[in-house]
This record gives sequence, C-alpha cells and structure tokens, in this order.
Amino acid sequence: DIQMTQSPSSLSASIGDRVTITCRASQSISSWLAWYQQKPGEAPKLLIYRASILQSGVPSRFSGSGSGTEFTLTISSLQPTDFATYYCQHFDSYSGFGQGTRLGIK
Amino acid sequence: QVQLVQSGAEVKKPGASMKVSCKASGYPFTGYYIHWVRQGPGQGLEWMGWINPNSGGTKYAQRFQDRVTMTRDTSINTAYMEVNSLRSDDTAIYYCARVVEMTTPRAGMDVWGQGTTVTVSS
Repeated sequence: DIQMTQSPSSLSASIGDRVTITCRASQSISSWLAWYQQKPGEAPKLLIYRASILQSGVPSRFSGSGSGTEFTLTISSLQPTDFATYYCQHFDSYSGFGQGTRLGIK
Repeated sequence: QVQLVQSGAEVKKPGASMKVSCKASGYPFTGYYIHWVRQGPGQGLEWMGWINPNSGGTKYAQRFQDRVTMTRDTSINTAYMEVNSLRSDDTAIYYCARVVEMTTPRAGMDVWGQGTTVTVSS
C-alpha cells in the first residue's frame, strides 16, 4: 500500500500569507493526486486534481504542483474563507488520503 | 443540478450490517466512477473503495476487502455500499463521491453526497 505523508499537520497563518502544504508518497504515483479542502460539518471540496489541474470554480490563488513522490498545494494569498483542513489523496492501483493539515488563524 | 443524495442516519448494534444508498441525478450515472469515503469522529478521511457504475466492477481498500460490498442499480441511478460485521470503530460519516472525469477512477472527486452518519453501539 502506498502511504501519503502530509506536512505540516497543522499551521497558523495570517490573511495575505503564502502557504504551502506538502504530500509525499511512499512510491511514485505519477500525477495521480488530488487536493481537498474541508470545513467543519461539510463534505470535502475538490481543489486540484491530477496534481495541478484547478477544479472549475476554485479561486486561482490555489495551485498544485509536483509529480512522482512529492507534491505541493500552495495558497498564494490567504483569505478568511481558506481556514480549514486540507487533504491530499493518491490514486494508484488503490487510493488513500494524507492525514490532513489543519490551517488556523495566527 | 448534479447531485448525490444519500440515505439517512443509522444506528446499529455490533455485529450487524448496514447498507447506505447514494442516488445520482443531473448527469449520466454510468459515465462516472463513484468512490466511498468515511470519516470517524474528529478523524481524517479514509478511502473505502470505488465502483464503476457502468460495469459494476469494484475495488476495495485492503482493510475492508472481507466486509464491504459495493453495488449499483442503473435503473434508478443508485449506488450502494454494504458493510458487514460492524464494530464500534465503524462509527463514522460515510460519503459517496463522483469522480470529476468520465470513465476513470483515478482523478479527484468533485461531487459529494451529504454524508450518512452511522453509529455502532450496543
């Protein structure tokens, strides 16, 4: 089974900050990676798929990069609505999620 | 509009079975894979498996291989997930979710059901 290691597990940031979250796969997954945002009491929301494709309707301050084993989600300028938990998900022969990154207000 | 509507909350005793439904509307049901994901109280997301609504083909996470069955009924655009031999640690919100691209299970999921809360308690 492929393991996804997401870091950091939590971070605090301010409005306007640039934030980067990383996911590392235990073996190569090519570009089969998605990123989600989840707020309390809500289902996850797709932000990025195939590592770098921005889902329709998602603000352009979100971007994804990487391939193989290392991937990043970047928020270029944090907005109040961005404080949430973020998850990566791989799609190898099976699938699985990272443990999540809780993004809080500094 | 495109949506997935899941069945209502359930309370089960340990050792029982549960079956959650996921009714699709607003898009061609057989064109998009559906994944099932669960989230325990205060926990992260856990992938359980997927079903191809066109062929009925499935893939299950290894830890659920012997307890989970995913099926579909194309006549009513509905996917189902059954979990047997329930334990207290199966208490969770169960989500179905549609893959964003047609005919592949390997992209992200863009449409999610509202979630079904399952409580396992004696």
